[in-house]
Amino acid sequence: ILNVEQSPQSLHVQEGDSTNFTCSFPSSNFYALHWYRWETAKSPEALFVMTLNGDEKKKGRISATLNTKEGYSYLYIKGSQPEDSATYLCAFRSNTGNQFYFGTGTSLTVIP
Amino acid sequence: DVKVTQSSRYLVKRTGEKVFLECVQDMDHENMFWYRQDPGLGLRLIYFSYDVKMKEKGDIPEGYSVSREKKERFSLILESASTNQTSMYLCASSSDVWYGYTFGSGTRLTVV
Repeated sequence: ILNVEQSPQSLHVQEGDSTNFTCSFPSSNFYALHWYRWETAKSPEALFVMTLNGDEKKKGRISATLNTKEGYSYLYIKGSQPEDSATYLCAFRSNTGNQFYFGTGTSLTVIP
Repeated sequence: DVKVTQSSRYLVKRTGEKVFLECVQDMDHENMFWYRQDPGLGLRLIYFSYDVKMKEKGDIPEGYSVSREKKERFSLILESASTNQTSMYLCASSSDVWYGYTFGSGTRLTVV
């Protein structure tokens, strides 16, 4: 079992604030990293699939970066809105295995 | 849109019962997965399948079995339910690691 850590565990921000959180994973044998958003009472939804060191992906106000050499990925949300409130999960797969390992998530609450 | 449908949203079963959790996807995905999610722990993989009649154990297969007789359906079976199997169960499917997973809405199982 591979160790995937996310920080912080939870976060409360004011509407309009920008925020970011971290996913840390083993720095060797990288294969792919996924980010998901999981809103209460809904299914986790894929946000980004990241595969190359230095990848930067963007979807609206949300973006993500990847550093495979040091084993971390950042997720950024610019100008947070209440609808951004959710748990954000990352999942890591190494090239020596055939499954993704999930972190415990960062729970984001955006206060209007 | 790809849909992954789990048969029950909430389920209450008695200790010792045989429990079936059904998952159906409608996009011809080869890969299907069963996870459980518990507070403070990331999603943990129970079983997965890369093809019909094929199955592989994940990290926590004990007390579970699976069945994949048709490509679109992946069933999780609790042979004799126990209270420590009370959890949220999530089914997912994917066509390829590059596209991320599509998750069902989850089944919250309580074993009493």
